[in-house]
Amino acid sequence: DAGVIQSPRHEVTEMGQEVTLRCKPISGHNSLFWYRQTMMRGLELLIYFNNNVPIDDSGMPEDRFSAKMPNASFSTLKIQPSEPRDSAVYFCASKPMDRGLRWDSPLHFGNGTRLTVT
Amino acid sequence: SQQGEEDPQALSIQEGENATMNCSYKTSINNLQWYRQNSGRGLVHLILIRSNEREKHSGRLRVTLDTSKKSSSLLITASRAADTASYFCAANSGGYQKVTFGTGTKLQVIP
Repeated sequence: DAGVIQSPRHEVTEMGQEVTLRCKPISGHNSLFWYRQTMMRGLELLIYFNNNVPIDDSGMPEDRFSAKMPNASFSTLKIQPSEPRDSAVYFCASKPMDRGLRWDSPLHFGNGTRLTVT
Repeated sequence: SQQGEEDPQALSIQEGENATMNCSYKTSINNLQWYRQNSGRGLVHLILIRSNEREKHSGRLRVTLDTSKKSSSLLITASRAADTASYFCAANSGGYQKVTFGTGTKLQVIP
């Protein structure tokens, strides 16, 4: 089990550039979450998918942010155009299907992408 | 927005002592989870307590849940230097499986 894989680990870009963050969830997991972590705001839920369908994107800060999950093994988070205030660590997490309505499968996190926008 | 607030924000103890972290949340929950984060890494799941449970144990971890107060606590007994990390509570709420995190407690265990 390779775990959740995120790429790149670090990204440094200039303001105005497009940034694409990538995530490969654990095989067999059917839910995927994108979080952003900063000192000021802590861990913010941006969007989550179930069976490749976006369920709740209310945490996406602006229209500059978009996320896709074209298949069960890949998701992207895109920022276009990027701004310095987007600098943060972005985490992807996946979880297996919950049995019944108990919702108690834990999240499995990747090691994050540290984004710096100058 | 943050679902939970953790208290204290930072905690420094000697090895062997117990560490207690508290979490308050805002809405009704399906379950409450605790995670640990080492510096520069992703979060790792520690323990989950369901809304109909009041206390749960796992090794040196003890979690309590008070749904009337919308609060939970995590106790780490006989702490070790390797327990140094940030600890987060996470509320699973809503009609689906939305998981939102608290602000975290940074624990330092001094050898």
